[in-house]
Amino acid sequence: SQQGEEDPQALSIQEGENATMNCSYKTSINNLQWYRQNSGRGLVHLILIRSNEREKHSGRLRVTLDTSKKSSSLLITASRAADTASYFCATDVGGSYIPTFGRGTSLIVHP
Amino acid sequence: NAGVTQTPKFQVLKTGQSMTLQCAQDMNHNSMYWYRQDPGMGLRLIYYSASEGTTDKGEVPNGYNVSRLNKREFSLRLESAAPSQTSVYFCASSERGLGQPQHFGDGTRLSIL
Repeated sequence: SQQGEEDPQALSIQEGENATMNCSYKTSINNLQWYRQNSGRGLVHLILIRSNEREKHSGRLRVTLDTSKKSSSLLITASRAADTASYFCATDVGGSYIPTFGRGTSLIVHP
Repeated sequence: NAGVTQTPKFQVLKTGQSMTLQCAQDMNHNSMYWYRQDPGMGLRLIYYSASEGTTDKGEVPNGYNVSRLNKREFSLRLESAAPSQTSVYFCASSERGLGQPQHFGDGTRLSIL
């Protein structure tokens, strides 16, 4: 069963625009991670945010976490065609170190 | 630096055949995992190995077996393949502990006719 659910399921934007995708989860967490998956490849870890953090940045990525709403968002600024991929959030559940993945957001960036 | 290597990349089987998917990592990670990815379902954990010598069931273990051969290698076996096992299979590894990022291989695309 999915702990985290990404929204929207699909997102199509133009190069240079910002892309925002959201993740909602059901139970308290220690950490939330975001991963990217390019077509035909494995997942690649992007960023981790801990439950006591509210915002983290990594290059053009900005992740926020609102534990009161049990939600996180991933913002990609000034998107590029190379950002076209699926993005997954992953949360730990019940203290388990094994993350549970959502179904993902498919992002298409048109050049 | 290969990371996580999966073999084969593609495989077609007939119902009832058996096969083993191989996975090896060169990052000296303690924990290894097998997932399946189906359209609209995200990633589902089949089995994992917290450390060498241990294996545990995940969310969807039925029809599969695993072997943690050594610290580097973790194999997944389908004893009698069924069409419902048509999927993309991913192996991953990580250090053990909360918040450790997982490192994924590029998957095995398995079709069962």
